[in-house]
Amino acid sequence: DVKVTQSSRYLVKRTGEKVFLECVQDMDHENMFWYRQDPGLGLRLIYFSYDVKMKEKGDIPEGYSVSREKKERFSLILESASTNQTSMYLCASSLQGQVDSNQPQHFGDGTRLSIL
Amino acid sequence: DQQVKQNSPSLSVQEGRISILNCDYTNSMFDYFLWYKKYPAEGPTFLISISSIKDKNEDGRFTVFLNKSAKHLSLHIVPSQPGDSAVYFCAASYLTGTASKLTFGTGTRLQVTL
Repeated sequence: DVKVTQSSRYLVKRTGEKVFLECVQDMDHENMFWYRQDPGLGLRLIYFSYDVKMKEKGDIPEGYSVSREKKERFSLILESASTNQTSMYLCASSLQGQVDSNQPQHFGDGTRLSIL
Repeated sequence: DQQVKQNSPSLSVQEGRISILNCDYTNSMFDYFLWYKKYPAEGPTFLISISSIKDKNEDGRFTVFLNKSAKHLSLHIVPSQPGDSAVYFCAASYLTGTASKLTFGTGTRLQVTL
C-alpha cells in the first residue's frame, strides 16, 4: 500500500513566522503535490514537483514555496505566514504519466494549520 | 474560474436507496475523470475513474457515467450504505508535458440515513 505521511496533523503558528510542512512518500513516485482544502472551495493545487529539484506552480502559489531535495520528500514553505493561510494542507503523490485508475494520486491525511 | 463544478454541496439519502452525485466541467482538454471520497480528519481516497473514451465504468456498488457532449459526469452508489457518508470530490485531469494535474470540484457531502 502507498503511504503518504505528513509530519504534523495539527500546527499552530503566528503571523509572520516561516512555516515548514513536510511530506514523505514510500512508493518511489516521481510526482508530488501540495493542495489546500477550504470550505466551499474544494482542493486547490499550490505547487507540484515532477522530479527531484523540479517544481511548477499550481493554481494558487502566492505566499508559498516548495523544496524537493530527495525523491521521497516534498516540503511546503510559508515564507511569512498570514491568517489567510489558515487551512487544511494535503500532500499527494503519483507515478509519472497520466493519472488513471492504475495510478491515481495518493493523499496523506492532511495538516490542519492555524495562523494566529 | 471553476473548471470543475459540483453544484450540490450536500445530499441526504436513505440507506438502501440510490445516491447520485453530479459534476460538470468546462475544459474540453480534460481526458480523465476521477472520484475521491473523504472522511473527516483523513486524506481523500481514490474511488473510481473513467476515461474520456468511455461513457460508463462500474466497480461494485459504484458506477460513473460520462456525457462528453454535455460535459457532465455522475457517480451512482447502489445500494447506499451508512459507511458511504463522506464528502465526495470529482476531479478531472489531462496530461501536460510535466505531470498529470488534477482539478477538483468543491465537493458534495453525502449523508446516508438509516
